[in-house]
Amino acid sequence: ETGVTQSPTHLIKTRGQQVTLRCSSQSGHNTVSWYQQALGQGPQFIFQYYREEENGRGNFPPRFSGLQFPNYSSELNVNALELDDSALYLCASSFRPGGTDTQYFGPGTRLTVL
Amino acid sequence: DQQVKQNSPSLSVQEGRISILNCDYTNSMFDYFLWYKKYPAEGPTFLISISSIKDKNEDGRFTVFLNKSAKHLSLHIVPSQPGDSAVYFCAASGGTYKYIFGTGTRLKVLA
Repeated sequence: ETGVTQSPTHLIKTRGQQVTLRCSSQSGHNTVSWYQQALGQGPQFIFQYYREEENGRGNFPPRFSGLQFPNYSSELNVNALELDDSALYLCASSFRPGGTDTQYFGPGTRLTVL
Repeated sequence: DQQVKQNSPSLSVQEGRISILNCDYTNSMFDYFLWYKKYPAEGPTFLISISSIKDKNEDGRFTVFLNKSAKHLSLHIVPSQPGDSAVYFCAASGGTYKYIFGTGTRLKVLA
């Protein structure tokens, strides 16, 4: 059974640029959630995708957007990068949407915005 | 407004002793709670969960206790091992799609 994978591991961007992060869900999981973890903080929910549709969104601006593909993999896109977007971005997958299904996390992508 | 709070940023415990990590929450709508462990440069690893219909759940060395009236949960690790040294996050959900995480407690188990 393959776990959640994310790419790239690290990347460095400059302010104003755009970035795309990728996530492959665990085998058998059809739901993907994205979280942002700033230094010294817990992960903060960005949004969740279920069957290629956004299923819920946290308190993040529209320049954070996502996609889910038919194979349940997912992308997180961030436009007009700001310095405060520097963080660890975590993807988590689960069997079903909703909050009572355990979410399993990938290793994360460390984004640095200069 | 921090709905899930871990008030102890760090904790040190001797190997073989009990580690107790605490978590408080404010939202009475939360009905599912989880603990994750995180090593540096890795994503959070699921440890144990508990539904609000229970007050205790055990899995090997890990036990989670839930006190709904106090809006408090705790994770007990017995016996503690050096490999348990990591940052521990509690998380809660209220039947919606998202988890709300605490800020984490760094556990150090001393050999």
